[in-house]
Amino acid sequence: GNSVTQMEGPVTLSEEAFLTINCTYTATGYPSLFWYVQYPGEGLQLLLKATKADDKGSNKGFEATYRKETTSFHLEKGSVQVSDSAVYFCALSDNNAGNMLTFGGGTRLMVKP
Amino acid sequence: DGGITQSPKYLFRKEGQNVTLSCEQNLNHDAMYWYRQDPGQGLRLIYYSQIVNDFQKGDIAEGYSVSREKKESFPLTVTSAQKNPTAFYLCASRLTANTGELFFGEGSRLTVL
Repeated sequence: GNSVTQMEGPVTLSEEAFLTINCTYTATGYPSLFWYVQYPGEGLQLLLKATKADDKGSNKGFEATYRKETTSFHLEKGSVQVSDSAVYFCALSDNNAGNMLTFGGGTRLMVKP
Repeated sequence: DGGITQSPKYLFRKEGQNVTLSCEQNLNHDAMYWYRQDPGQGLRLIYYSQIVNDFQKGDIAEGYSVSREKKESFPLTVTSAQKNPTAFYLCASRLTANTGELFFGEGSRLTVL
């Protein structure tokens, strides 16, 4: 079956530090890949996505590149802010599985001033 | 504004009582979903509905029930058969079962005393 594995948190960084949150996946078909963000007490919001190999998704300074050869979709940001503190979820949607979303366990990011 | 509304945001119930969580969307989406979120476990799919008057069990449907009598509404009942109901519950929708971004509500936190 499909699965998504994320690095365990929490990840604690100082403001303006470089961020990487690792995400690897296993899928039976040709998945689309997503990063969702959850701010405290809220639901999830789509942060970025990529639908095919070598695509780069980007939004709000965050980027992730769909790497088929390493089955990865790592999230990066060059300079984090306190307002980026949240839980980040990597997910995939597999067209061989009815496009149901499979989520990783989430990674909590804490950014200190 | 279009979106998904979940209510109540916080709910406390005694053990053995059934509770119903509301989810309403005005996005004209066909597909709706219920997820359960526990710390460190990511999101797990409880039930989903691809179209009005139809729904299917997800990965952890035991102890839950749903209905989809109207396109915009997908209430979730947590029954007394659910052994560990204390959790954060998220409702989501997308344009169809196979297309579109997944939009989330802000969640309902259920605590069983």
